[in-house]
Amino acid sequence: NAGVTQTPKFRVLKTGQSMTLLCAQDMNHEYMYWYRQDPGMGLRLIHYSVGEGTTAKGEVPDGYNVSRLKKQNFLLGLESAAPSQTSVYFCASSPHGGPGAGSEQFFGPGTRLTVL
Amino acid sequence: DAKTTQPPSMDCAEGRAANLPCNHSTISGNEYVYWYRQIHSQGPQYIIHGLKNNETNEMASLIITEDRKSSTLILPHATLRDTAVYYCIVRDNQGGKLIFGQGTELSVKP
Repeated sequence: NAGVTQTPKFRVLKTGQSMTLLCAQDMNHEYMYWYRQDPGMGLRLIHYSVGEGTTAKGEVPDGYNVSRLKKQNFLLGLESAAPSQTSVYFCASSPHGGPGAGSEQFFGPGTRLTVL
Repeated sequence: DAKTTQPPSMDCAEGRAANLPCNHSTISGNEYVYWYRQIHSQGPQYIIHGLKNNETNEMASLIITEDRKSSTLILPHATLRDTAVYYCIVRDNQGGKLIFGQGTELSVKP
């Protein structure tokens, strides 16, 4: 099992460029999440998905779009990158979203994005 | 806003128990307490969670006070590899969202 993988690991963009971050999980998890982490801060939820074909907004959704066309993949898009989106992006998945057993989230290694 | 309060940093001697406190005075009856840690530059790692009973697994123990307003994560024999930021999180019951605060930076020293 590879667990949660993220592509790419690093990326540098110019302001206004677009890109897509890919998250893949091979654990057959229903729930998937995208977080961002700025220096010295905790993680903040951008968007999440409770199953294939569904998406929902988190704490900081502005400037991002997501899609979950396949259960194992969760894509995060930046249509017009801004310097404020310079951050480390983490993807996570969990078997389900309710509290209790089976709700723990498994995180990927992160994507380090710099917007100039 | 995070629903938990943690000290920003703590030190622990290698081989000793590390006790990390967390206050969550506004926790509601059906909310769980989760602990994650983040070793430098890596993705967070799940440690343990609980509702009201004490919990133990291969990584740690979680002690929750009877009134559930605070909890303590215990790493029984801390090693240098336990140096990390530890996050105490009260779980949002809607959609499985985790609200991360600033966490406690634990430094395990030889």
